[in-house]
Amino acid sequence: SQQGEEDPQALSIQEGENATMNCSYKTSINNLQWYRQNSGRGLVHLILIRSNEREKHSGRLRVTLDTSKKSSSLLITASRAADTASYFCATDEKAAGNKLTFGGGTRVLVKP
Amino acid sequence: KAGVTQTPRYLIKTRGQQVTLSCSPISGHRSVSWYQQTPGQGLQFLFEYFSETQRNKGNFPGRFSGRQFSNSRSEMNVSTLELGDSALYLCASSRRDRPTNEKLFFGSGTQLSVL
Repeated sequence: SQQGEEDPQALSIQEGENATMNCSYKTSINNLQWYRQNSGRGLVHLILIRSNEREKHSGRLRVTLDTSKKSSSLLITASRAADTASYFCATDEKAAGNKLTFGGGTRVLVKP
Repeated sequence: KAGVTQTPRYLIKTRGQQVTLSCSPISGHRSVSWYQQTPGQGLQFLFEYFSETQRNKGNFPGRFSGRQFSNSRSEMNVSTLELGDSALYLCASSRRDRPTNEKLFFGSGTQLSVL
């Protein structure tokens, strides 16, 4: 089962624009992570935000977490063609043990 | 430092056969997790090993099994393959005994096609 549901499922933007995607989840979490996947390859970790944090930045990435709404957002600023990929949120549920539960992902296409 | 290595990269099998996939974690990483990725179901957790012990298992039938060796390398086996087992199988490693509290390092995956 998927804990996180991502919105939108797909996003197409021009280079230089910002891309925002959202993740909602159902149960209490210890932390939430975002990963990027290029063309069916392995996932690359982008950022981890803990349940007691509200916002985190890493380069052009900004992640927010609202535990009261059980939601998170990932913002990519000044997008580049190389940002074209699928982006997944993954939650560490408090009751689940040592596993991450991934959302369905958002496919982002950045047009040059 | 070498990344997570998965072999083989591609595999074609027929229904009823069995398959073994291999994963070598980053040196020093003791936790290995396996995930199945399909277009319909997305990324689904299979199992997680730490120091040769399976600590968590996803909702997959008993045909899916795995193990971890003393050098932290891991294998997963799928017996009596079904068409629905066609998927990208991803392995991920992490350093500590609570892998979900830190980032996971993923391999490039094994693309399994069952005909």
